[in-house]
Amino acid sequence: KNEVEQSPQNLTAQEGEFITINCSYSVGISALHWLQQHPGGGIVSLFMLSSGKKKHGRLIATINIQEKHSSLHITASHPRDSAVYICAVTMNYGGATNKLIFGTGTLLAVQP
Amino acid sequence: DAGITQSPRHKVTETGTPVTLRCHQTENHRYMYWYRQDPGHGLRLIHYSYGVKDTDKGEVSDGYSVSRSKTEDFLLTLESATSSQTSVYFCAISGTSVSHEQYFGPGTRLTVT
Repeated sequence: KNEVEQSPQNLTAQEGEFITINCSYSVGISALHWLQQHPGGGIVSLFMLSSGKKKHGRLIATINIQEKHSSLHITASHPRDSAVYICAVTMNYGGATNKLIFGTGTLLAVQP
Repeated sequence: DAGITQSPRHKVTETGTPVTLRCHQTENHRYMYWYRQDPGHGLRLIHYSYGVKDTDKGEVSDGYSVSRSKTEDFLLTLESATSSQTSVYFCAISGTSVSHEQYFGPGTRLTVT
């Protein structure tokens, strides 16, 4: 079983829809990250959070530490949001580095 | 955008040949990482560096070595390339262990024939 699980693996939405991508993890963490990767493109950090909620434009990320769960929401989705969204966690192991453990990603396609 | 470049961006090589990928940063960040990305596996850590000449293994380090002789450069070497090392390789940097946020390079697509 992966330490970081995302759902769904694939998601197709119509333009304008509200989208939710979920991430669950099974280890103690010091931070959780949401990343975005467009087809053939590089990886961009969207959010890093350790508690509560963060918002950037139409994107909202929440985390529940007790339940070991995070969600990424996209409001008023647009075709340019089509990408792979990756959840990653920084394990809380007391080391001197911040190694990440990644989920396998959610492929989102937003149709016009 | 963080100043991270990778070279080459694409490479095709034959089984058994050595290959070196370069990651170069202009951010003076302490931590540097090499990942590989494969379908169904997500990103997996190969090696990382926490300072000049300070490196350590990640979860998929077999067949790979790294070197960091300068803050700005982190080299990944495939000692004798195999077809299982066909992948997309990403370099990442991070300033401090406290901030945790990592910034990724554009990736190198390596094909081993």
